[in-house]
Amino acid sequence: EPEVTQTPSHQVTQMGQEVILRCVPISNHLYFYWYRQILGQKVEFLVSFYNNEISEKSEIFDDQFSVERPDGSNFTLKIRSTKLEDSAMYFCASSPGTGLNTIYFGEGSWLTVV
Amino acid sequence: GQQVMQIPQYQHVQEGEDFTTYCNSSTTLSNIQWYKQRPGGHPVFLIQLVKSGEVKKQKRLTFQFGEAKKNSSLHITATQTTDVGTYFCAGHGTYNTDKLIFGTGTRLQVFP
Repeated sequence: EPEVTQTPSHQVTQMGQEVILRCVPISNHLYFYWYRQILGQKVEFLVSFYNNEISEKSEIFDDQFSVERPDGSNFTLKIRSTKLEDSAMYFCASSPGTGLNTIYFGEGSWLTVV
Repeated sequence: GQQVMQIPQYQHVQEGEDFTTYCNSSTTLSNIQWYKQRPGGHPVFLIQLVKSGEVKKQKRLTFQFGEAKKNSSLHITATQTTDVGTYFCAGHGTYNTDKLIFGTGTRLQVFP
């Protein structure tokens, strides 16, 4: 079964450093997402991406965050200047369409900011 | 903003007992999806309900979507140790939003 793959699985970074999390969505999917989950809490929507642009973003997705699809397969989340509170599991997800479609989550990238 | 709450937050059951988690949204949802997250894992899609009052079954799991499309429930009959994990409901507020709003989750522990 096709999967969403994410790298790295775990990254430790110093506060203020830039981090790039990478994702390869399922190949025939058109919508891509980033969600995050702070330890022990619920999953929170960050951003959705369609047709090479952001289609929707949450209030969490401020100017320090950016997303990019640099080639035909990768989808990245960049955090420019990490803060301690950015420590979380970041899930990439994709879906064939929006709205009522099933969303497939990757296994996550665990980010620890020290 | 829109909030989706789940109760209980935690549930410990003996293997073979039933389990129910309830999901309540502050506003109407266009759909409800249920996910299971094993400890240390990622959310795995279980099912989607779209119609008001809809009921769906998957083996020992029964899912309901309320008449007002603001609440939902997941019932597991005769729990097994493999049911351990956190169960999240999630929904879209409207049909034209990408944002999936997750509930607060119910963590299920099953003792053999």
